[in-house]
Amino acid sequence: DQQVKQNSPSLSVQEGRISILNCDYTNSMFDYFLWYKKYPAEGPTFLISISSIKDKNEDGRFTVFLNKSAKHLSLHIVPSQPGDSAVYFCAASELGNKLVFGAGTILRVKS
Amino acid sequence: DGGITQSPKYLFRKEGQNVTLSCEQNLNHDAMYWYRQDPGQGLRLIYYSQIVNDFQKGDIAEGYSVSREKKESFPLTVTSAQKNPTAFYLCASSLDRGRAEAFFGQGTRLTVV
Repeated sequence: DQQVKQNSPSLSVQEGRISILNCDYTNSMFDYFLWYKKYPAEGPTFLISISSIKDKNEDGRFTVFLNKSAKHLSLHIVPSQPGDSAVYFCAASELGNKLVFGAGTILRVKS
Repeated sequence: DGGITQSPKYLFRKEGQNVTLSCEQNLNHDAMYWYRQDPGQGLRLIYYSQIVNDFQKGDIAEGYSVSREKKESFPLTVTSAQKNPTAFYLCASSLDRGRAEAFFGQGTRLTVV
């Protein structure tokens, strides 16, 4: 059973537009959520996180939104750049324990 | 520069052989993790260690073994009992149990030939 789901395997966006990546979770005990970015044959790099006591966290072009009632979070990238093309993983943890990852979404930003 | 180093980057193994993947970190992190990535799948947790000389099984520990004799090192052995070992293996570390942000190494691509 997948506790963290990224239902869109891929997303294609025009450069300069907004990219929205979605993530759903089933475990209501998750209290910390993270997004990672991964290029092929490399390790994931941490992008942005959000605690369950917040509903929004912003860092430059990246904003993460959390809707606890819907058990849904999303990552917004504005404006999208070609260098943002990568696989994005959503992850969640409970009380700082092991991270549970989604399957990832491939983002392609077209120039 | 502080970071996590995995070696080797590429590894080939014959069927029936054990092989050990190295993971070293100089971030002074207490917690270390091993994940496996297969095409179209997320990162699945193999083993993790919150402190030296202690480790716990993750979701897919069968066919793998680990040790944590030093804080800096968390080697993973893929044994012959692992039926489908070809995958991309990622090591990660985090400051301590209460800090969820994990920092990843560059990965090791293991191929069984």
